[in-house]
Amino acid sequence: LAKTTQPISMDSYEGQEVNITCSHNNIATNDYITWYQQFPSQGPRFIIQGYKTKVTNEVASLFIPADRKSSTLSLPRVSLSDTAVYYCLVGDRSGAGSYQLTFGKGTKLSVIP
Amino acid sequence: EPEVTQTPSHQVTQMGQEVILRCVPISNHLYFYWYRQILGQKVEFLVSFYNNEISEKSEIFDDQFSVERPDGSNFTLKIRSTKLEDSAMYFCASSEPGPGSYGYTFGSGTRLTVV
Repeated sequence: LAKTTQPISMDSYEGQEVNITCSHNNIATNDYITWYQQFPSQGPRFIIQGYKTKVTNEVASLFIPADRKSSTLSLPRVSLSDTAVYYCLVGDRSGAGSYQLTFGKGTKLSVIP
Repeated sequence: EPEVTQTPSHQVTQMGQEVILRCVPISNHLYFYWYRQILGQKVEFLVSFYNNEISEKSEIFDDQFSVERPDGSNFTLKIRSTKLEDSAMYFCASSEPGPGSYGYTFGSGTRLTVV
């Protein structure tokens, strides 16, 4: 499984755009990049997933450069409710046909009023 | 939006007792998982389950743990002879199969406190 590196914490004011970058230098050809959000005492919540270029949904955008060695999660106009831990995960299905997620420490985003 | 439901939300048990944590995955999902998170630490994989059998398990998932899908809707994690260090949030998750369908849906968790 590819190892990921992301900042431990970030602060942002309400209304600003937040970009969280994740490095995954050893990403494999079949790996996808997935981001999860976790609030205290809740389970992680799927935000967005991508393979290359740009993916956008109603919550966030994911930018992946051509070499796929990094990715950037972009949250437009954050609010206080976006305060959470954000995890970047990289991986593929195992030979057993399941998909084991390996969580790192994530990035703790604090949104300030 | 479909949800993964976990019960109970909080369980307190005495050391040495057995506990069963229950989960109802999303109905059309075929892969089921248990993860745990000790307070202040990372989310850790325990086990994955597909086609009525364990497909992967971590080193944490030793003989103390077992999983079962007793009927068409429930997925349970049994912890025998609980220890203090088993205190954690336990999350159930489920996912669809197929290329690109790697997004998991997690439940809200069961907070297990062993005293």
